[in-house]
Amino acid sequence: DAKTTQPNSMESNEEEPVHLPCNHSTISGTDYIHWYRQLPSQGPEYVIHGLTSNVNNRMASLAIAEDRKSSTLILHRATLRDAAVYYCILYSSASKIIFGSGTRLSIRP
Amino acid sequence: SAVISQKPSRDICQRGTSLTIQCQVDSQVTMMFWYRQQPGQSLTLIATANQGSEATYESGFVIDKFPISRPNLTFSTLTVSNMSPEDSSIYLCSVAMFGGQETQYFGPGTRLLVL
Repeated sequence: DAKTTQPNSMESNEEEPVHLPCNHSTISGTDYIHWYRQLPSQGPEYVIHGLTSNVNNRMASLAIAEDRKSSTLILHRATLRDAAVYYCILYSSASKIIFGSGTRLSIRP
Repeated sequence: SAVISQKPSRDICQRGTSLTIQCQVDSQVTMMFWYRQQPGQSLTLIATANQGSEATYESGFVIDKFPISRPNLTFSTLTVSNMSPEDSSIYLCSVAMFGGQETQYFGPGTRLLVL
């Protein structure tokens, strides 16, 4: 499975945008980029995913580089409830998710 | 989407004993998975639970230690056998409705402490 690289931790202020980077230089043409997050004491939850084009949903936006070797998850206006570990995952056709170490996001009030 | 429940939510067990964790989904799903999350760590995939056949284990996990059953499309169990303190972790069930590259849904986890 292709590997992703994320910063161990990031900090942001409440009500400001947050940009969470992910490098995936060995991505293959059929790998989808998925983001999940794990709130404290909960199981992971889906955030967003994309293949080539930028994607938006009610939770976040996903910006994918033209060469697909990196992507950025954008939280437009962080709240305290967004404090979590965010996982960037390359999802192949094998149907199973392999988690990396993720980025622990802290939000300052 | 799918709503997943796990039983028990937490347990404290003595070493050498076994614990069976149940995962129940509110709708029929194609794929079911079991993960382990050791304290302060990311999630590690244990196995894919296959309906009507033996589970598919990831490297480092064996059936004798983590037997898995999946009798139908909405239910699976994971047993942690002959437990040691190193088995103290959170065990999570996840599902995918149809398989492929779609969204997966995770249960709340079972917190296990082995003394």
